Amino acid sequence: AQSVTQLGSHVSVSEGALVLLRCNYSSSVPPYLFWYVQYPNQGLQLLLKYTSAATLVKGINGFEAEFKKSETSFHLTKPSAHMSDAAEYFCAVKGWGSQGNLIFGKGTKLSVKP
Amino acid sequence: KAGVTQTPRYLIKTRGQQVTLSCSPISGHRSVSWYQQTPGQGLQFLFEYFSETQRNKGNFPGRFSGRQFSNSRSEMNVSTLELGDSALYLCASSLAPSQSTDTQYFGPGTRLTVL
Repeated sequence: AQSVTQLGSHVSVSEGALVLLRCNYSSSVPPYLFWYVQYPNQGLQLLLKYTSAATLVKGINGFEAEFKKSETSFHLTKPSAHMSDAAEYFCAVKGWGSQGNLIFGKGTKLSVKP
Repeated sequence: KAGVTQTPRYLIKTRGQQVTLSCSPISGHRSVSWYQQTPGQGLQFLFEYFSETQRNKGNFPGRFSGRQFSNSRSEMNVSTLELGDSALYLCASSLAPSQSTDTQYFGPGTRLTVL
C-alpha cells in the first residue's frame, strides 16, 4: 500500500527565510507525487507534481520540490517566505492501478512571522 | 474557464437526517472524485465517478453514496447522519480517470455540520 508521511504538523519561519516542508513516501512502484496548498476556508490548489520526468519540479508561487528515490522523499522548498505563503500544505501520492485516488499526508501548517 | 463549483458551501443538519451535496466539474472534465476532510482523519477518499460509472470507492460505510449525471455533474448523499460526519467535503475533477497523471482540480468544499 502506498502512503505519505509529512514530518512536522506545524512549521514557523520568518518572512524572507527558507521554507522546507518534509514529505516521505512509501510505494512499491514508481510514485506520482503532488503538493497541494489549502488556504483557510478554501479547497486545495495544486502547487506542483512529479510524474517520473525531471526529479526537480518547479511549481507555482516560487515553490519547488525534489524527488529523491534513495531517500523516498519529496520535500517542498521555497527560498524566501512571504506572508502570503501562510497556509496548510499537503503532500499526496497517487494510488496505483485501479486505485488512482490521491492518498494524502496529514498536512503541515506553515506560519510566516513578520 | 470556470473552476470546480460545489453547492451549498455550508450546511447544518441534525443526526438522523440525510444530505445531498452537489459538484459541477470544470467544463470538459469527466472524472469527479469526492474526499472528506476532518481534523482527526485528515483527507480521505470517498469515491470516484467517470462517465456516470463509479470506478473506485474508499473505505466508508454504505450510508455514503454518490452518482454522476450525463453532464458530468456529481452528487453525493449521506443518509442517517452521525455527529462524526461533520466535515469539509471536497470534490475534485480531472479530464481522465484518476489512474492517469492528469491533475485533479479541487472545489472550495461544502462544510457540513451535524448537530
